[in-house]
Amino acid sequence: DAGVIQSPRHEVTEMGQEVTLRCKPISGHNSLFWYRQTMMRGLELLIYFNNNVPIDDSGMPEDRFSAKMPNASFSTLKIQPSEPRDSAVYFCASSFRTVETQYFGPGTRLLVL
Amino acid sequence: AQKITQTQPGMFVQEKEAVTLDCTYDTSDQSYGLFWYKQPSSGEMIFLIYQGSYDEQNATEGRYSLNFQKARKSANLVISASQLGDSAMYFCAMREPLSGGYQKVTFGTGTKLQVIP
Repeated sequence: DAGVIQSPRHEVTEMGQEVTLRCKPISGHNSLFWYRQTMMRGLELLIYFNNNVPIDDSGMPEDRFSAKMPNASFSTLKIQPSEPRDSAVYFCASSFRTVETQYFGPGTRLLVL
Repeated sequence: AQKITQTQPGMFVQEKEAVTLDCTYDTSDQSYGLFWYKQPSSGEMIFLIYQGSYDEQNATEGRYSLNFQKARKSANLVISASQLGDSAMYFCAMREPLSGGYQKVTFGTGTKLQVIP
């Protein structure tokens, strides 16, 4: 079975540009999570969807960040405009019914110059 | 306040020996869950083991076991017979409730384990 799929795997962009990260959760999973990982702050939950509805977005840093889940098989995390401090690895994870077992995608390594 | 504390930023263990990675947590909830994830140098996050707060037995998964001491609020990961492939970052995490009956997971800062041949 395919795991969580994220694209792109690597992204290098210039400050001020729009960045869109994509995630396809595991089929049948109804919860989807976006995380950001940095050396300084560790692994932070940005936003959590359940049945395509955002449940908790308290971790979204600021208005420059937005996330959508138009259907059960696709989600996007958008940064506009991007800043160097947004450089991090962004993970998408999904789970079925409970939060106990989240399966992570391979991550997107973002570098904003 | 820190909800998950991992006090060992780095650990070394000899191959084939056992190692314990420490994790303490803070919660006032009666129902919660604790997990461990492994992150090798390739970057992916791999789920290892889960312990529910009401589980009486310590969770085990192959060479991994979770030493759950509820009164001490600790959930240490024990890896038996360490292998070179166990070298990685290890994250402890806790499930905590959100309003509306939903839950989310908070991660600790991680412990980097290096297995020495």
